Amino acid sequence: GEDVEQSLFLSVREGDSSVINCTYTDSSSTYLYWYKQEPGAGLQLLTYIFSNMDMKQDQRLTVLLNKKDKHLSLRIADTQTGDSAIYFCAETTMNTGFQKLVFGTGTRLLVSP
Amino acid sequence: GAVVSQHPSRVICKSGTSVKIECRSLDFQATTMFWYRQFPKQSLMLMATSNEGSKATYEQGVEKDKFLINHASLTLSTLTVTSAHPEDSSFYICSARPRRTDTEAFFGQGTRLTVV
Repeated sequence: GEDVEQSLFLSVREGDSSVINCTYTDSSSTYLYWYKQEPGAGLQLLTYIFSNMDMKQDQRLTVLLNKKDKHLSLRIADTQTGDSAIYFCAETTMNTGFQKLVFGTGTRLLVSP
Repeated sequence: GAVVSQHPSRVICKSGTSVKIECRSLDFQATTMFWYRQFPKQSLMLMATSNEGSKATYEQGVEKDKFLINHASLTLSTLTVTSAHPEDSSFYICSARPRRTDTEAFFGQGTRLTVV
């Protein structure tokens, strides 16, 4: 079955790096995503990684994938107060024909000045 | 990125009435649209997947007669909460997958439903 877990809360100071972690159980995961949700809003796709990659960098964002340990992380460099939000990792798997997004529990990131 | 518009953003209705929520892909055609429900401080739970022109596929535990989904065109899907009750109060979010890709899905801004 599919199960995606995240730590619930992360607090950092402005200018520091943030690392948000995610673990998943389905070994057939093919695409893994990071979404950002601000209060009362929908989800914004930040980045995604294909499971045959182990790293992807996009400006301040770095995604690391350890397929052996089924561990995904999102590093935000030079974190700003505007980065405060809930971050969800999500996966699609071969089992569902890549149709279904399974979301993690979400990590609330609080950035203090 | 592609834009998905969801309407209304907030709705308050009386118990026993029905509410319709619209999800539109504004600048792309969406063969597949998804409806999610999110409880406070929780993750998104997929309710159903709809493909244009065919019946929606509901997740286990979701009542199809209560949550009616119509995907009549490649740019519009609607979710109707029938005979709403206070326990249906929640945040409902749609997402749409463009025809051109099977990797990306774009989300609407969500609808906060309050049933009183």
